Amino acid sequence: KQEVTQIPAALSVPEGENLVLNCSFTDSAIYNLQWFRQDPGKGLTSLLLIQSSQREQTSGRLNASLDKSSGRSTLYIAASQPGDSATYLCAVIKTQFYFGTGTSLTVIP
Amino acid sequence: NAGVTQTPKFQVLKTGQSMTLQCAQDMNHNSMYWYRQDPGMGLRLIYYSASEGTTDKGEVPNGYNVSRLNKREFSLRLESAAPSQTSVYFCATQTPGRSNIQYFGAGTRLSVL
Repeated sequence: KQEVTQIPAALSVPEGENLVLNCSFTDSAIYNLQWFRQDPGKGLTSLLLIQSSQREQTSGRLNASLDKSSGRSTLYIAASQPGDSATYLCAVIKTQFYFGTGTSLTVIP
Repeated sequence: NAGVTQTPKFQVLKTGQSMTLQCAQDMNHNSMYWYRQDPGMGLRLIYYSASEGTTDKGEVPNGYNVSRLNKREFSLRLESAAPSQTSVYFCATQTPGRSNIQYFGAGTRLSVL
């Protein structure tokens, strides 16, 4: 069974810092990997999708990388802002989605 | 364009009561999913429907039933609610093909006393 781990579980940074969130998975035979954002009391919002043939994807201040052979993905957030405070989840995709437990990010003004 | 709509947003049940969680989408996607989210456990798949008229069990189907009423609607039913079913329930749809992206509703927060 695919296991997806996100470390750390919580992270607090001052505004303006660059930061990296980590996602690791046990089975490298995946189709895609997707990063989501979840605000308190809300559903998940898709941020980036990386297909298995890709190494990275970028959207604005976000950059996600994928290394299938090592079972790792990272989400890089540049110049963090208080509005980035949320929980970030990764999901690896094969026949279904397997979600990590998320990293709760707080950006301090 | 509402995307994925879930009703109700909140519900409190007593043990043994039944209820149906509703999900409707206007994205014209074939695939729909029901997840539950519990602290420290991430999202776990309850049931999914690859197309109208088909449903399949996910990781944690016990105590639940589903109906894919038509392409737009996918409902989740608790026949006899238990405290262990206290959770946040999310419905999602998925784009077709290999570039599969999931879109989520806002969730239903259920407490079973």
